[in-house]
Amino acid sequence: GNSVTQMEGPVTLSEEAFLTINCTYTATGYPSLFWYVQYPGEGLQLLLKATKADDKGSNKGFEATYRKETTSFHLEKGSVQVSDSAVYFCALVLRDSSYKLIFGSGTRLLVRP
Amino acid sequence: DGGITQSPKYLFRKEGQNVTLSCEQNLNHDAMYWYRQDPGQGLRLIYYSQIVNDFQKGDIAEGYSVSREKKESFPLTVTSAQKNPTAFYLCASSIRATNTGELFFGEGSRLTVL
Repeated sequence: GNSVTQMEGPVTLSEEAFLTINCTYTATGYPSLFWYVQYPGEGLQLLLKATKADDKGSNKGFEATYRKETTSFHLEKGSVQVSDSAVYFCALVLRDSSYKLIFGSGTRLLVRP
Repeated sequence: DGGITQSPKYLFRKEGQNVTLSCEQNLNHDAMYWYRQDPGQGLRLIYYSQIVNDFQKGDIAEGYSVSREKKESFPLTVTSAQKNPTAFYLCASSIRATNTGELFFGEGSRLTVL
């Protein structure tokens, strides 16, 4: 079946540290890939996306590259801030699906000053 | 401001009671969705609607019902048949009926069954 696997959290970092959150996927078709972020007490917001192999999505200093050969879409940021503390969800949607966005279980990031 | 408004933000319910969660959007989006979020789990799709007066079951529709009488409104009723209704419920919308994966979410409603 189709699924998304994320590294378990919480991930705890000091401010200005380098961040990597791993995400791998299994898909029967050719998916588009996404990272969503959920700040405390809020709904999810789209952070970045990539629609084909080798595409790099980027936003607010975060980046992720669509790696078809390793079926991965790891999220990275060079220097995290306290305000980046949130839960990050990796997700995919299949091109032949009319409705279904499949989410990973989420990874909580805690950045300490 | 354009966006999705969910209400109430917090809701308490006694066992055996039905409860309705409101979701309104002023983005003029065609499609709307309801997701359930439980601690340590990803979001699970309850129902979705691609057009007014039409909706489909998602992965965990049992014990829930919806309606889509207006484009901007997609209320979710949690019925007494839902065995474990305590959760965080998220409403979302997308511009087109075909899900490109780019969803706009409301701030959520937290339901607690006492």
